[in-house]
Amino acid sequence: SQKIEQNSEALNIQEGKTATLTCNYTNYSPAYLQWYRQDPGRGPVFLLLIRENEKEKRKERLKVTFDTTLKQSLFHITASQPADSATYLCALDGPGGSYIPTFGRGTSLIVHP
Amino acid sequence: GAGVSQSPSNKVTEKGKDVELRCDPISGHTALYWYRQSLGQGLEFLIYFQGNSAPDKSGLPSDRFSAERTGGSVSTLTIQRTQQEDSAVYLCASSPRGAHGYTFGSGTRLTVV
Repeated sequence: SQKIEQNSEALNIQEGKTATLTCNYTNYSPAYLQWYRQDPGRGPVFLLLIRENEKEKRKERLKVTFDTTLKQSLFHITASQPADSATYLCALDGPGGSYIPTFGRGTSLIVHP
Repeated sequence: GAGVSQSPSNKVTEKGKDVELRCDPISGHTALYWYRQSLGQGLEFLIYFQGNSAPDKSGLPSDRFSAERTGGSVSTLTIQRTQQEDSAVYLCASSPRGAHGYTFGSGTRLTVV
């Protein structure tokens, strides 16, 4: 069955450093991969989408890579700030036009001032 | 509206009672999803509506769960004869047709006592 793995341990980093979060998947060939941010008591907020034929996508301080051979996506936040502290979820959907995303459990990021 | 609206934000109910959860998607979004998130768990897909097509109910965990979407807009998720294991945050999301980034509401926290 399809499986999405994100590190269950919280990632602690110092302000100003680059945070890198990992999303691995198995038994899946997604056409689209998304990253979301979720704060306590809130719903996930969409951040970035990357397609299977794209290697890298950037938005301000965020960068996402997508390696369909390794079945892995990396999510980077450069110049991290305490306000970036949250849980980050990856989600996959497709192929075949499937519009039902499957979500990972998320990784908690804690940025220390 | 400006975002996806869910009500109530919190619901405490007695075991065996029926509950209705409401989702008001972004105007013009044809796709609507229900997920649930238990403490420390990932998002579990429940049901997907797309326009006037028959909904994809493949994620509903039992026949106690049902959902409808009236006029292609507001959706109601109904849980009959609630059980303690139904306690979770129920999240609704919507998106325009063909999009692969989803806008979530803040969720309804359901507690069955």
